[in-house]
Amino acid sequence: AQSVTQLGSHVSVSEGALVLLRCNYSSSVPPYLFWYVQYPNQGLQLLLKYTSAATLVKGINGFEAEFKKSETSFHLTKPSAHMSDAAEYFCAVSGDNAGNMLTFGGGTRLMVKP
Amino acid sequence: EPEVTQTPSHQVTQMGQEVILRCVPISNHLYFYWYRQILGQKVEFLVSFYNNEISEKSEIFDDQFSVERPDGSNFTLKIRSTKLEDSAMYFCASTFGQGRTGELFFGEGSRLTVL
Repeated sequence: AQSVTQLGSHVSVSEGALVLLRCNYSSSVPPYLFWYVQYPNQGLQLLLKYTSAATLVKGINGFEAEFKKSETSFHLTKPSAHMSDAAEYFCAVSGDNAGNMLTFGGGTRLMVKP
Repeated sequence: EPEVTQTPSHQVTQMGQEVILRCVPISNHLYFYWYRQILGQKVEFLVSFYNNEISEKSEIFDDQFSVERPDGSNFTLKIRSTKLEDSAMYFCASTFGQGRTGELFFGEGSRLTVL
């Protein structure tokens, strides 16, 4: 079985500051991990994914995430926050079969202060 | 850019009424999904659909729910007799290929409010 925990339902940073959104997972099989972003009134959009290649994954809009097996983590970072990064971010893990079923974390709402 | 579209964006219904939520997946995609998010809770998997049949479903997807691909473009979720606890945002998603690494493309969601 798979599960995802996102620490912090709300994170607030100043524009230009480091963004760190935390994600821990558990999986009965080697995990495939995803970060999705949801801007207001829009659907979920893939930011990046880890599929057992490089442990440091780069995504769109300057975001990256590092897979750490020993810590069962897949935290999302961005060196410098921009106002347009304000959104809800979801970490997800793929199921243990081929069906693409995703198990999501609870989401983290990122607020960026000017 | 191709996208998944969902209608309606918001529906308000009375408890016990039937509701149909519609989705138009990306045209060359083969796998279709419904997820839902109750306000303040996680996004939860409901059902996946391939080759005109359900391939997986969660325990949430009970007999009150059904899915259908009535033609070559639409993918619908029907709730036969809505309950208060069905109030949620429902997301449709699609993908081309099977496999755990595939990217799901999500629609903007349909917000269902049951009174």
